[in-house]
Amino acid sequence: SQTIHQWPATLVQPVGSPLSLECTVEGTSNPNLYWYRQAAGRGLQLLFYSVGIGQISSEVPQNLSASRPQDRQFILSSKKLLLSDSGFYLCAWSEAGIDEKLFFGSGTQLSVL
Amino acid sequence: GQNIDQPTEMTATEGAIVQINCTYQTSGFNGLFWYQQHAGEAPTFLSYNVLDGLEEKGRFSSFLSRSKGYSYLLLKELQMKDSASYLCAVIGGGYQKVTFGTGTKLQVIP
Repeated sequence: SQTIHQWPATLVQPVGSPLSLECTVEGTSNPNLYWYRQAAGRGLQLLFYSVGIGQISSEVPQNLSASRPQDRQFILSSKKLLLSDSGFYLCAWSEAGIDEKLFFGSGTQLSVL
Repeated sequence: GQNIDQPTEMTATEGAIVQINCTYQTSGFNGLFWYQQHAGEAPTFLSYNVLDGLEEKGRFSSFLSRSKGYSYLLLKELQMKDSASYLCAVIGGGYQKVTFGTGTKLQVIP
């Protein structure tokens, strides 16, 4: 069966520090991968999605970036965090060519202070 | 681009029926999802509609009208555990891109 792992669960970082959130998927190959952010009391904002290794689409201009160095690994990064980067970050995957149903990781609650 | 609208909040009574509406405008459409999200947790899948009509799954049903850009989620026999946010999401506007509405926070009261 397929599983998705996202870590860490909680992160407190100072403004200006770097960020690296990692997500891995097991039990499937060539998944579509997504990073979403949810601000407190808000909906899910699509940040990045990827349909293959090295293929990243960015939805919102910002100081975040994403990379997909391996088929089932998706990394969200920042060189210098801003206060506005605080939020609940969710990684998700879907099976390419099927119904695009998203399966979410457990999320990372990021607080930038 | 994508535009998805849902009511922000709703309140309903335990045991009752509630309908949560979603309207959308998209540059392309390949299906619509409903997800449930409890506070502090990841969303979980409820339903998927790609053709017009009603999909029923236990206490939950979802309806889609593609010509009207409209969907609703129907929850029957409400339970206290149904208190959560319900997210409408549309596939379209780009290759395998899934865009979410802001969600409807449902509070079930005794």
